[in-house]
Amino acid sequence: GESVGLHLPTLSVQEGDNSIINCAYSNSASDYFIWYKQESGKGPQFIIDIRSNMDKRQGQRVTVLLNKTVKHLSLQIAATQPGDSAVYFCAENPNSGYALNFGKGTSLLVTP
Amino acid sequence: EAQVTQNPRYLITVTGKKLTVTCSQNMNHEYMSWYRQDPGLGLRQIYYSMNVEVTDKGDVPEGYKVSRKEKRNFPLILESPSPNQTSLYFCASSLSLGTGNQPQHFGDGTRLSIL
Repeated sequence: GESVGLHLPTLSVQEGDNSIINCAYSNSASDYFIWYKQESGKGPQFIIDIRSNMDKRQGQRVTVLLNKTVKHLSLQIAATQPGDSAVYFCAENPNSGYALNFGKGTSLLVTP
Repeated sequence: EAQVTQNPRYLITVTGKKLTVTCSQNMNHEYMSWYRQDPGLGLRQIYYSMNVEVTDKGDVPEGYKVSRKEKRNFPLILESPSPNQTSLYFCASSLSLGTGNQPQHFGDGTRLSIL
């Protein structure tokens, strides 16, 4: 079946640098995408979402980019802070249905 | 405070002993869902519910049951737990999914160990 995947399982960045977490999806019918952050011992926390009629959306220190041509999603975190250390998941909702498919996650480690 | 509450947070039990994990949300959300999270496999959907009395299977429903008798509650039932159901479980809710997508809000998880 089609699935959501991530290019890198782990990412280490220095405090203050920008982080980019990538996600590839293969279901061209997906029309809604979400990024979640999961800290140790907690549930996934919503960061930002984007619909397929957009290619960019910005939040506070975060930007999501969607490239439908190559089925690629990225999460950019500006001025990464130690509190950003967590596992980040992308998720897709295909065909405006009731399923939400998650990628396996990228672990972001912010070093001082 | 808007939240999704799961109970218990931790449970160690034995094979075959029926258990229920409760989930409650206070946001009047229509959509609720259960996931299990296993190392290397990410989050996989077990069951979901679009509204009261409306449920459907996710990707890994075998060995689980759910019910949605009230809008706020969505319990996960393991009638005869087995060791392969040892996992971290998350309940989530959203205003809607499908047409008019809204992001899901997650509980803090229930860690089940089946011996």
